[in-house]
Amino acid sequence: DVKVTQSSRYLVKRTGEKVFLECVQDMDHENMFWYRQDPGLGLRLIYFSYDVKMKEKGDIPEGYSVSREKKERFSLILESASTNQTSMYLCASSLGGAVGYTFGSGTRLTVV
Amino acid sequence: ELKVEQNPLFLSMQEGKNYTIYCNYSTTSDRLYWYRQDPGKSLESLFVLLSNGAVKQEGRLMASLDTKARLSTLHITAAVHDLSATYFCAVDRGGNQFYFGTGTSLTVIP
Repeated sequence: DVKVTQSSRYLVKRTGEKVFLECVQDMDHENMFWYRQDPGLGLRLIYFSYDVKMKEKGDIPEGYSVSREKKERFSLILESASTNQTSMYLCASSLGGAVGYTFGSGTRLTVV
Repeated sequence: ELKVEQNPLFLSMQEGKNYTIYCNYSTTSDRLYWYRQDPGKSLESLFVLLSNGAVKQEGRLMASLDTKARLSTLHITAAVHDLSATYFCAVDRGGNQFYFGTGTSLTVIP
């Protein structure tokens, strides 16, 4: 079965910390995405990548960066965590074309 | 700016009843996706609609796409409790980038 694995289900971090959220897919997908989900706002695209070493900004990239050193791994980095980054973070991957996304189970991040 | 609007945002319905969730979007696209999310869980793919007039059905759910009206509907027939979840539509705005609606939280009451 196709899988997207996010390393942490729940995280609590302090303001100002550097935070790494990891996502690994085992489907040999080219495309990977990071979204955050907030009540009343749906899912918003933070960053995405179409290939190794490649990254593109989504709709809300401020305060975030990403890394894709290997095809199967796409990391989201919060350079200096702030309380307004408390959210559910969802990683997704896709073969591209008209195929939909496969989502990971999500990481609920709380910044205190 | 692309907008994807779902309505209603909250829906409480009795078991056995029918209802429709609407997804309107503001840009030209012929690819629309429906997802389901259970509380505390991730999103699960329900339907992929790839052309004008596309209709897909799975159990008590049926989705359709009208690209000219920029409208997709998710119709629920004879609702059961197991359908309680949040439903999202998503539009492919190009480059496999999906823009999601705000979601419809459905509660089916016995």
